[in-house]
Amino acid sequence: RKEVEQDPGPFNVPEGATVAFNCTYSNSASQSFFWYRQDCRKEPKLLMSVYSSGNEDGRFTAQLNRASQYISLLIRDSKLSDSATYLCVVNNPYYSSASKIIFGSGTRLSIRP
Amino acid sequence: DVKVTQSSRYLVKRTGEKVFLECVQDMDHENMFWYRQDPGLGLRLIYFSYDVKMKEKGDIPEGYSVSREKKERFSLILESASTNQTSMYLCASSFRAGEVYSNQPQHFGDGTRLSIL
Repeated sequence: RKEVEQDPGPFNVPEGATVAFNCTYSNSASQSFFWYRQDCRKEPKLLMSVYSSGNEDGRFTAQLNRASQYISLLIRDSKLSDSATYLCVVNNPYYSSASKIIFGSGTRLSIRP
Repeated sequence: DVKVTQSSRYLVKRTGEKVFLECVQDMDHENMFWYRQDPGLGLRLIYFSYDVKMKEKGDIPEGYSVSREKKERFSLILESASTNQTSMYLCASSFRAGEVYSNQPQHFGDGTRLSIL
């Protein structure tokens, strides 16, 4: 089983729809979680951190479910500009190794007019 | 805003050449990273540095070395470039909170598309 898994998609949804996708992780000791977005041929950009109590940033809501070991990203009222690949990142609490910063392989989202 | 600057957006080199990729960050971050990203393989960590002159191997260090002589600058070196090192290279930096190296988000540079002919 991969340490971090995402559905690669593509998710193809109409403008204005609500879309959600998950990211599962295998290490129950994982401590911090993030969502990044990556546009085609560009660098990943931090979208939001994911906090234990869940957090919202405008149309975006991130949640963490420690019991089931997944994080989720919900996008409301989707815009054409939301089309991108969404990467989840899971950081494990190792003190001396960066190799435990794990990127998911991404979920492709395409918003159609 | 965090600014991570990579020296080149596009680079074309020949097999066997020694290639230097430079990365500079302006936020006084302790941690700096080099990744490569290939279709279907996602982001893979090559090397990581958590302080000046300190470095650790990532998942795919073979064929690469790094240098961190100053806090703001992290260089990736391809000792003898090969065609399988054609890729998108991404540099990132992050703040180190206390003794845990990896619990802060990373900020990426624009990337360098490297082609080895």
